[in-house]
Amino acid sequence: QKEVEQNSGPLSVPEGAIASLNCTYSDRVSQSFFWYRQYSGKSPELIMSIYSNGDKEDGRFTAQLNKASQYVSLLIRDSQPSDSATYLCAVNSDTGRRALTFGSGTRLQVQP
Amino acid sequence: GAVVSQHPSWVICKSGTSVKIECRSLDFQATTMFWYRQFPKQSLMLMATSNEGSKATYEQGVEKDKFLINHASLTLSTLTVTSAHPEDSSFYICSAITSGRAYNEQFFGPGTRLTVL
Repeated sequence: QKEVEQNSGPLSVPEGAIASLNCTYSDRVSQSFFWYRQYSGKSPELIMSIYSNGDKEDGRFTAQLNKASQYVSLLIRDSQPSDSATYLCAVNSDTGRRALTFGSGTRLQVQP
Repeated sequence: GAVVSQHPSWVICKSGTSVKIECRSLDFQATTMFWYRQFPKQSLMLMATSNEGSKATYEQGVEKDKFLINHASLTLSTLTVTSAHPEDSSFYICSAITSGRAYNEQFFGPGTRLTVL
């Protein structure tokens, strides 16, 4: 069964610190990886997508992918209280169907 | 760009009634739309994949006769919950993919909160 695993948290970091969110996936043929942010009661918002091994940076966010270890992470630099949300890792393993498999999410709390 | 809307944003209905939820891509043509359901404190669960002009593909365990999906155009998909019961109360979210984007980036609508009394 294709699975995406995340620590549910909460992960608590002080304002200004780096928040590190991790995700592992079970299907080795996975091709594309996404991080979504979901505020309570709202729908997910795409933050980052990554397709190749290595790092991808966008503003305060950096996504890291290691296909050999089946591991993808999201770093948030200079964390702000407004970053407090649930972060969902999503993986596409079936390019034919184009569907995503979501992890259960990690709740991040940024303390002012 | 890549804006997806849903209507209604919330609905309360009596048990046994049917509810229709609309999902629209506002500034792009959605070749594929997805319908998800999310219960409190749980992650998104894919219900079905909808391609324009063809029958939806339902995930295992999702009753296709209860959750009717129609994707009549490249900008509109609808989900009808037939004979709704309290256990169908959930947050229903659609997402869309456009052929102009690589690697299956999905853009989500704001969601519809359904409460069945």
